[in-house]
Amino acid sequence: SQKIEQNSEALNIQEGKTATLTCNYTNYSPAYLQWYRQDPGRGPVFLLLIRENEKEKRKERLKVTFDTTLKQSLFHITASQPADSATYLCACITSGTYKYIFGTGTRLKVLA
Amino acid sequence: DAGVIQSPRHEVTEMGQEVTLRCKPISGHNSLFWYRQTMMRGLELLIYFNNNVPIDDSGMPEDRFSAKMPNASFSTLKIQPSEPRDSAVYFCASARTGELFFGEGSRLTVL
Repeated sequence: SQKIEQNSEALNIQEGKTATLTCNYTNYSPAYLQWYRQDPGRGPVFLLLIRENEKEKRKERLKVTFDTTLKQSLFHITASQPADSATYLCACITSGTYKYIFGTGTRLKVLA
Repeated sequence: DAGVIQSPRHEVTEMGQEVTLRCKPISGHNSLFWYRQTMMRGLELLIYFNNNVPIDDSGMPEDRFSAKMPNASFSTLKIQPSEPRDSAVYFCASARTGELFFGEGSRLTVL
């Protein structure tokens, strides 16, 4: 069955370091992949989109990679700040559909 | 724009009661999604609509769940009868192209 996996364990890093979060998918060929941020008690908020023919996408301190051979996306936050602490979700979208399937999310905590 | 608006924000009900959750998407968005979020299962897609037409309801857990979108500015998700295992946060999201815009969710507790 189709599965999207993110590290369920929380990730704690020191302020100023780069945080790297992983999203792996199986039995799936997404046309594109998105990353969202979710704060406690709030709905997810869109951050970045990357298409299957793109290797890397950047936006300010954020960088996303997409490796269709490894079936994996990596999400990086450089120069992390305590305000970056949140849960980060990846979502896969199959070509020709509007079916957005989410991973379970990884909780990031940036320590001051 | 006010964003996606969901109501109620919190609902506590007893097992067997009917629950109706409401969603107003962002004006101009032609796709609408209902998700359920729990600690155990994460964010699960229940159903989505395109131009008010249900496209995929394969995520709806049982016949107790139903969703409607009578017009472009309103959708409902109904659970009848509700059960304790339906306790979760229910999110509505809308999209025109690309990114999803989520509401703040409706937290449902079924006792």
